[in-house]
Amino acid sequence: EIVLTQSPGTLSLSPGERATVSCRASQSVSSSQVAWYQQKPGQAPRLLIHAGSSRAAGIPDRFSGSGSGTDFTLTISRLEPEDFVVYYCQQYDSSRPITFGGGTKVEI
Amino acid sequence: EVQLVQSGPEVKKPGESLRISCKGSGYSFADYWISWVRQMPGKGLEWMGKIDPRDADTKYSPSFQGHVTISIDKSINTAYLQWSSLKASDSAMYYCARGAGDAWGQGTRLTVSS
Repeated sequence: EIVLTQSPGTLSLSPGERATVSCRASQSVSSSQVAWYQQKPGQAPRLLIHAGSSRAAGIPDRFSGSGSGTDFTLTISRLEPEDFVVYYCQQYDSSRPITFGGGTKVEI
Repeated sequence: EVQLVQSGPEVKKPGESLRISCKGSGYSFADYWISWVRQMPGKGLEWMGKIDPRDADTKYSPSFQGHVTISIDKSINTAYLQWSSLKASDSAMYYCARGAGDAWGQGTRLTVSS
């Protein structure tokens, strides 16, 4: 199966700053099959980005996704107070088991 | 509105069996497979497997193959995750999701303790 390694594990930033979360795959993944999720404490994950760079419905444009091959990135252009939570990448290649990255906590 | 509603929290003893459910509404249930995802306390997301409502075809993560069974009842828009013999290490939050995850259930918390 494809292993996804997220870095850093914890990102310490201030409101208004830019956050960059990396996700590296053990094998090449189609960018059209990469997603990013946000999880707040006590809640189910929420889809932010699908198909590598497409924002899900209702997601603010400060969230963006990019990348190709084995390297993918989630960028939050200007952190709002509610953005200080945990983020996960995911690959959903239809021919292989779905996998998630280990998660990145964005803290103040 | 797309909704996935899961069954309530469970407290079980080791060795007991269990089936939890996930009922979809607000969309054509047969058009999207259902995934199950485990989250152990304080840990990350682990994809367990998925089922296609059209033909009940299932795919499992190698980590969960043989340990759980995913099934479906298309007539009532409900997917299931079941265990035949629970272990303490099965204690976790379990989520169902539509497809890869564009909609999620609220989660079912499972506690297995003697």
